[in-house]
Amino acid sequence: EPEVTQTPSHQVTQMGQEVILRCVPISNHLYFYWYRQILGQKVEFLVSFYNNEISEKSEIFDDQFSVERPDGSNFTLKIRSTKLEDSAMYFCASRENSGNEKLFFGSGTQLSVL
Amino acid sequence: AQSVAQPEDQVNVAEGNPLTVKCTYSVSGNPYLFWYVQYPNRGLQFLLKYITGDNLVKGSYGFEAEFNKSQTSFHLKKPSALVSDSALYFCGAHNQGGKLIFGQGTELSVKP
Repeated sequence: EPEVTQTPSHQVTQMGQEVILRCVPISNHLYFYWYRQILGQKVEFLVSFYNNEISEKSEIFDDQFSVERPDGSNFTLKIRSTKLEDSAMYFCASRENSGNEKLFFGSGTQLSVL
Repeated sequence: AQSVAQPEDQVNVAEGNPLTVKCTYSVSGNPYLFWYVQYPNRGLQFLLKYITGDNLVKGSYGFEAEFNKSQTSFHLKKPSALVSDSALYFCGAHNQGGKLIFGQGTELSVKP
């Protein structure tokens, strides 16, 4: 089965630093998502992306966050100035269309902000 | 606003016994309902979905789920649990064109 790949699997950073989390969605998929999961809590929606623009974002996705699809294959999440509370597992997901199809998730990037 | 609730943080079952993981949802319009499983250090893996049609849907690894519109529930079931079923289970929902949101997750523990 095709896979969504995420790199790195673990990222440790100092508070205030910028981080970029990388994802390679499945090649023929058109809709892309970022979710995060703080330890012990639910998987929370961050942002959805289609046709090179954000289609929806949550309250969590403030001005410190941005997403980009720089080259037609990668899909990145940037956190401009990390805070301690940004420590979480970040999941990328993709879907072929906007209907009822399932999302395919990557294995996640564990971000630790010190 | 859309919401998904999984009332049990943990479900403990003996191997060979039936299991149920509960989920209720609040979605405007017709709901699209999903179950995903998360094994340690892994992403979410799709188990099954309900879009329309039969209320009982069958999915991967012998799991099934029953859609109940009047109770707005979509409980996950399996007739005979395996130790290898032990994992974190997430119920998800969205309406047409909406984002997929998840419940808080239920940790299933199956003991031999």
